[in-house]
Formats: sequence, C-alpha cells, structure tokens
Amino acid sequence: GQSLEQPSEVTAVEGAIVQINCTYQTSGFYGLSWYQQHDGGAPTFLSYNGLDGLEETGRFSSFLSRSDSYGYLLLQELQMKDSASYFCAVRRTGGFKTIFGAGTRLFVKA
Amino acid sequence: DTEVTQTPKHLVMGMTNKKSLKCEQHMGHRAMYWYKQKAKKPPELMFVYSYEKLSINESVPSRFSPECPNSSLLNLHLHALQPEDSALYLCASSQVLANGNTIYFGEGSWLTVV
Repeated sequence: GQSLEQPSEVTAVEGAIVQINCTYQTSGFYGLSWYQQHDGGAPTFLSYNGLDGLEETGRFSSFLSRSDSYGYLLLQELQMKDSASYFCAVRRTGGFKTIFGAGTRLFVKA
Repeated sequence: DTEVTQTPKHLVMGMTNKKSLKCEQHMGHRAMYWYKQKAKKPPELMFVYSYEKLSINESVPSRFSPECPNSSLLNLHLHALQPEDSALYLCASSQVLANGNTIYFGEGSWLTVV
C-alpha cells in the first residue's frame, strides 16, 4: 500500500519556527510536495522536492530524504496567517495519481 | 488569485436533481482533475483527464459523470446524489510532465445534497 503520515496538529507561537514532518511508504514517486489550505479555501501549492535536499522559498523550506522515506516543511517567522492545514503529497510515477497525507493543522498563537 | 475557476461556488440540490459543476483553466495545462474533500480530510482523487481523455476513474459511482469538452474546460455532471455526497468539490490542473507534481486547485464548489 501507499501512505503518508503527518502529525494531526501542531501549535506554535508567533515568530517561532515550526517543522511539520511527513513520512511515507510508497514505491515509485516523482517527489514530495506541500500544500497549504486555509479553512474554507482551496489547497495552494507551497513547495516541491524532486531531489533529496533542502528547497527554500521565502519563509518556507522543505526537505526530502528518499533513503529515509522522510520529508518536512519548515516554517520560519511564524505569522498568525500561517494558521492553516498543511498537506504533504506525492505523485506516483507513470501516472497522474497524487496521494495526499491526512494533513497537519497548524495553530499559531500570539 | 487562483487561475483555475470553478462555478458555482455553492450548490444545494435535491436527491432527484441534475446539476453540473464547471471548471476552466487557461494555463495551457493538459491534465485536469476532480477531487472531493470532506471536512478535516485530505482531497480525494475522483477523476483525471489527460489530453481531454479520461485517464483515471477512482471507482467513482456513476451518479458522478465527468466531461472534458476541450483542453480548458472540465465539467462534473451530478445526478441522483445522496446526502453523503455533500462535500467540497475541487477542480485542479497540472502540466503533463514526467516529473511534474504541482497541482493548481480552483476555489472549489461547496455541494450540499438535501
């Protein structure tokens, strides 16, 4: 089977750094993506790791280690607007099926 | 602002009604998707079209009927739905690349079946 596991909830304070982990059990995928979804909104793309290593996009960074079947999303200088759900996702090779993790709900406190 | 446009944003329909959800994108993407999302759950893939041909049907009940009239449009025809079909229906698109993994979602259509 194929699955991605993430923590269900994370709480952090404004200005802090938070890391959301994603471990997966899947064979044959192109890379690991991260999506953000605010309540009542649609998922929006944040970051993609096609290769092992760190990708940085502003306050957000993402990391992938295929040998460890592990990735994470790092959010720095947290702001209240970062309160949202975050999903890791992989697209299986040879097709279009993208599998999403269950999502991590991030609460940012003042 | 999302470049994938969905209409209507909200839809309430009875179990005997026939309605359609519409989606449009002008990013030149040749892969288009329908996802269903329940509250506090991840998006769940329903259908994928690639080059206007149905590529994936995730064993979706026949009361959901997708249609891809051209490379920019995607419809989801609804008939005889059940209350448990109430959910957020997300249209999405992406490039058809071997390693492309960025999916662009529309704002979704909130469907309530009464």
